[in-house]
Amino acid sequence: GDSVTQTEGPVTLSEGTSLTVNCSYETKQYPTLFWYVQYPGEGPQLLFKVPKANEKGSNRGFEATYNKEATSFHLQKASVQESDSAVYYCALSDPNYGSSGNKLIFGIGTLLSVKP
Amino acid sequence: EAAVTQSPRSKVAVTGGKVTLSCHQTNNHDYMYWYRQDTGHGLRLIHYSYVADSTEKGDIPDGYKASRPSQENFSLILELASLSQTAVYFCASSDVGGVTLYFGAGTRLSVL
Repeated sequence: GDSVTQTEGPVTLSEGTSLTVNCSYETKQYPTLFWYVQYPGEGPQLLFKVPKANEKGSNRGFEATYNKEATSFHLQKASVQESDSAVYYCALSDPNYGSSGNKLIFGIGTLLSVKP
Repeated sequence: EAAVTQSPRSKVAVTGGKVTLSCHQTNNHDYMYWYRQDTGHGLRLIHYSYVADSTEKGDIPDGYKASRPSQENFSLILELASLSQTAVYFCASSDVGGVTLYFGAGTRLSVL
């Protein structure tokens, strides 16, 4: 079945350093890929999504490229801030799940802590 | 203002008791979902619904029931709560054909 594997945390960085959270996926379909972010005490919220292979998504300084050949979608940021401390989830959509609805398959989440 | 509202935000239940978690959305979305969050497992789909009065099983439905009495409301029911159901539960909604899920703030459930 479909699956998502991502960097296991926690990841601790100092402000101003670079971030990479690895994400790889398995699916026989042509999914849309997502990064969600969950701040403390809140529900996950969409960071960005990329529906097509070889395209890049970005938001708030974060970016990821949908690499269909490598089945990867790594999250990167050049310079993290303390406010980026959160859990990051990689996910893929399975548009053929059941007969309707949009099931998202999530990775286990990566806890990022950024120290000032 | 929050478009997906969950209640209660936290709950302590006894083993074998009945628990109902509620979700209300004002997004006018047709699809609603219940996910469970556990450390080491991420978010896993329990039940979902694409229309009122109908629910579908997700990936981990055992021990849970769902109810969708209206487009706006979606409940998750634990008839006989067990220790293994201690987790954080998230409700989400999405529109027809939409791929983005909008989540509530979650309900932290502790079963003792």
